[in-house]
Amino acid sequence: GAVVSQHPSWVICKSGTSVKIECRSLDFQATTMFWYRQFPKQSLMLMATSNEGSKATYEQGVEKDKFLINHASLTLSTLTVTSAHPEDSSFYICSAKTSRNTYEQYFGPGTRLTVT
Amino acid sequence: GQNIDQPTEMTATEGAIVQINCTYQTSGFNGLFWYQQHAGEAPTFLSYNVLDGLEEKGRFSSFLSRSKGYSYLLLKELQMKDSASYLCAVRVTTDSWGKFQFGAGTQVVVTP
Repeated sequence: GAVVSQHPSWVICKSGTSVKIECRSLDFQATTMFWYRQFPKQSLMLMATSNEGSKATYEQGVEKDKFLINHASLTLSTLTVTSAHPEDSSFYICSAKTSRNTYEQYFGPGTRLTVT
Repeated sequence: GQNIDQPTEMTATEGAIVQINCTYQTSGFNGLFWYQQHAGEAPTFLSYNVLDGLEEKGRFSSFLSRSKGYSYLLLKELQMKDSASYLCAVRVTTDSWGKFQFGAGTQVVVTP
């Protein structure tokens, strides 16, 4: 149980375009989802925390107008990278929690974004 | 600020034991986690410590000393499939969201 999927698994886009990444909890309801970014050989950096039905909370230094997060249901959160630039190329990973009281988060398989 | 340090890389032979150390200085502490991550894949949960002491789980054990801001992950009877990056993460908030701060990961290379 506790499977999280992401779509697409990889995407290549041109500079200036927007890309949407989906994160789904397949067999549980996720009250909270997290979005991370990971550059090669570096740590997972938390970008934002997404709660169903409310606005996402962004970490310091993350532009909320550039990285749009929508948590429309208990099983789906989306991250849209707007006006992408080559420096946005990274591995984007989401994770989900099953409830407020649990400590564990389940990670999706990640999305490799390359901006040309 | 937040600081989680772990070695960049460790090499060990198949069947051996490897210990990955992690030291942390974070604004909050509500548990320390270890994850395994193979290249290009999502991290998978290995262990969780919130109290001082050793937690054993098959070939993997994890230790925590909160007063020292220190943890280690012990991998015994190494297998080739254990070659991966091992991430140390601290849950830094006590709120219901439970935000995590991750270390940069330790790449473990298991050789025949």
